[in-house]
Amino acid sequence: KAGVTQTPRYLIKTRGQQVTLSCSPISGHRSVSWYQQTPGQGLQFLFEYFSETQRNKGNFPGRFSGRQFSNSRSEMNVSTLELGDSALYLCASSLVADRDSPLHFGNGTRLTVT
Amino acid sequence: AQSVTQLGSHVSVSEGALVLLRCNYSSSVPPYLFWYVQYPNQGLQLLLKYTTGATLVKGINGFEAEFKKSETSFHLTKPSAHMSDAAEYFCASAGNQFYFGTGTSLTVIP
Repeated sequence: KAGVTQTPRYLIKTRGQQVTLSCSPISGHRSVSWYQQTPGQGLQFLFEYFSETQRNKGNFPGRFSGRQFSNSRSEMNVSTLELGDSALYLCASSLVADRDSPLHFGNGTRLTVT
Repeated sequence: AQSVTQLGSHVSVSEGALVLLRCNYSSSVPPYLFWYVQYPNQGLQLLLKYTTGATLVKGINGFEAEFKKSETSFHLTKPSAHMSDAAEYFCASAGNQFYFGTGTSLTVIP
C-alpha cells in the first residue's frame, strides 16, 4: 500500500508570492492534517480535514488555507509568503478522525522563502 | 488543554547502552499517547501508541514505552542502542487534535 505522498519535495519562492502544496493520503484514509515543522517551534498544527470539511484549525494567520477533495487528496495554500514561512510542511493521514487512529506522515515539502 | 513535554532536547548514548527518552503529558482525562521517530529529510514514523489496556506498550525496532498515570509519564526505552537509532523522537498526545512535544535528538556513539 502506498504511503502518504507529498508534492513537490522542495520549493523555493520569493517573498510575496503564493504557493500550493499537495498531499495524497493513504488509500482509504479520510482524514488529512497539515503541520509546519521548524527547528525553533517543532511541529505546529495547521489544520485537519475529514470528508472535505475542515474539522480543526491551528493558530495560523489567514494566509494559510487548505482544502480537501472528494478523493481525500488535500492541498494547502500560503499566500503573500514571508521569510518566516520557510519550513518543512508535513501532511499526515489517518483512517478515521478518531484520536486513537495514528497519523501516517508523508516526507514533507521543504519550502524556502527568499 | 492537553500537551506533552519532552525532557532533554538532546540525548547521547553509547552503542549497546540503554536508551531512555522522557515524555510527560498533561491531561485531565486518560490520553491517547504516541511516540514517533523522524530520520533526516523524512516524515514522522509511528513507533508505538497507547490507547487503553496494558500499560507497557511494545513498538517497532525494539522500542517500548510504559504509561504511568501516577507520574503522568510515557517514557520511551530500548535496552540496547544501535547506530541506526540515531534520529529525532517525538512524543504526542491526542485530544481534539494531536499535540507534539518539541522532540529529542538521539545520538548514538560508536
